[in-house]
Amino acid sequence: DSGVTQTPKHLITATGQRVTLRCSPRSGDLSVYWYQQSLDQGLQFLIQYYNGEERAKGNILERFSAQQFPDLHSELNLSSLELGDSALYFCASSAQVFANTGELFFGEGSRLTVL
Amino acid sequence: GQQVMQIPQYQHVQEGEDFTTYCNSSTTLSNIQWYKQRPGGHPVFLIQLVKSGEVKKQKRLTFQFGEAKKNSSLHITATQTTDVGTYFCAGGNQAGTALIFGKGTTLSVSS
Repeated sequence: DSGVTQTPKHLITATGQRVTLRCSPRSGDLSVYWYQQSLDQGLQFLIQYYNGEERAKGNILERFSAQQFPDLHSELNLSSLELGDSALYFCASSAQVFANTGELFFGEGSRLTVL
Repeated sequence: GQQVMQIPQYQHVQEGEDFTTYCNSSTTLSNIQWYKQRPGGHPVFLIQLVKSGEVKKQKRLTFQFGEAKKNSSLHITATQTTDVGTYFCAGGNQAGTALIFGKGTTLSVSS
């Protein structure tokens, strides 16, 4: 158990819909990362928050947004969903602000299926 | 942008054979991390390398970071069925703003 909690574990929805994925980081970790894992693209970095502030952005679509709340949990909002958004979305947390220091602790992921 | 390439994509070995996966970056990295993801699981941190030419060992696993800090490798000696999974390298950029994952090498082992 990594200590990172993600909900929901599975989600099935239709194209055009909007969903919210939730992540609670390990106790004490201030950094939260979101990654998208699909079969052909591996682990794609989406965005990082540190202590409530956006720290770094990766290949995140404009239809996607995220935020980190004062209690440090984070939410990833995916809107106008397309079939290609079907993937496993991982949240990871770390104690450090910089992505290149220290290990990331991954949650078990949220599997999104868009029909 | 920064890219991290990993080869091979898939590798099947007989139990007891050795296995190596290679990671190459288009830019100089600040560090490299390795993760293992078991089938149906989530990535789990294995190790971090920071210094040029660094070599670290964990039992049957040997990790290397290239002299130019652009490549890395993971070598498993005498594979076991418990080694099955996907091994990812992840390179940190110099600015510390991103940890870019390779696409992973999926290892299968038959007994």
